[in-house]
Amino acid sequence: DAGVIQSPRHEVTEMGQEVTLRCKPISGHNSLFWYRQTMMRGLELLIYFNNNVPIDDSGMPEDRFSAKMPNASFSTLKIQPSEPRDSAVYFCASRNSGGAGNEQFFGPGTRLTVL
Amino acid sequence: GDSVTQMEGPVTLSEEAFLTINCTYTATGYPSLFWYVQYPGEGLQLLLKATKADDKGSNKGFEATYRKETTSFHLEKGSVQVSDSAVYFCALSLYNQGGKLIFGQGTELSVKP
Repeated sequence: DAGVIQSPRHEVTEMGQEVTLRCKPISGHNSLFWYRQTMMRGLELLIYFNNNVPIDDSGMPEDRFSAKMPNASFSTLKIQPSEPRDSAVYFCASRNSGGAGNEQFFGPGTRLTVL
Repeated sequence: GDSVTQMEGPVTLSEEAFLTINCTYTATGYPSLFWYVQYPGEGLQLLLKATKADDKGSNKGFEATYRKETTSFHLEKGSVQVSDSAVYFCALSLYNQGGKLIFGQGTELSVKP
């Protein structure tokens, strides 16, 4: 099993540009989570999906952020327009929703730098 | 609301020293508890977990016991190695919240030879 796959691993862009982060969850997992990690705020849950349906997007910072999960094997997190304060590491995680004790498996993350 | 509090880092230890990283939680229900570890430049990996009171999770010499009476899940290891240097995150998950994790702020551990 390849684990959770994220792309790109690194992204450098200029303020105002659109950024799209991609995630492929582990096959068979039906829950997917997007997190953001910064030194100041630690790990924050942005949004999570269950069976491709967004369940809780209360962590999405503002309308510039959007996330989609068109099918069970792919999700995107889009920032438009990007701002320097969006610079962070963005993690995707997936799990099999069989109970609260089931672990989440994390991808390697995308390090985003907005200049 | 539900939350996790960890001891602040960084924690610096010599090799073979005893490690304790404190973690306490507040939860409205009966959570499952986790310790995740993040090595430099990598994503988080599950280290151990416990799903009910008095359960002990263990892995790679690390242990943590789910203490409902003190709402704690402290991480311990009897003899740390340089390779244990990482950031450790305590987290909880509630069944009625779709398995989403609520993380503590993380504790950085540095082990010196």
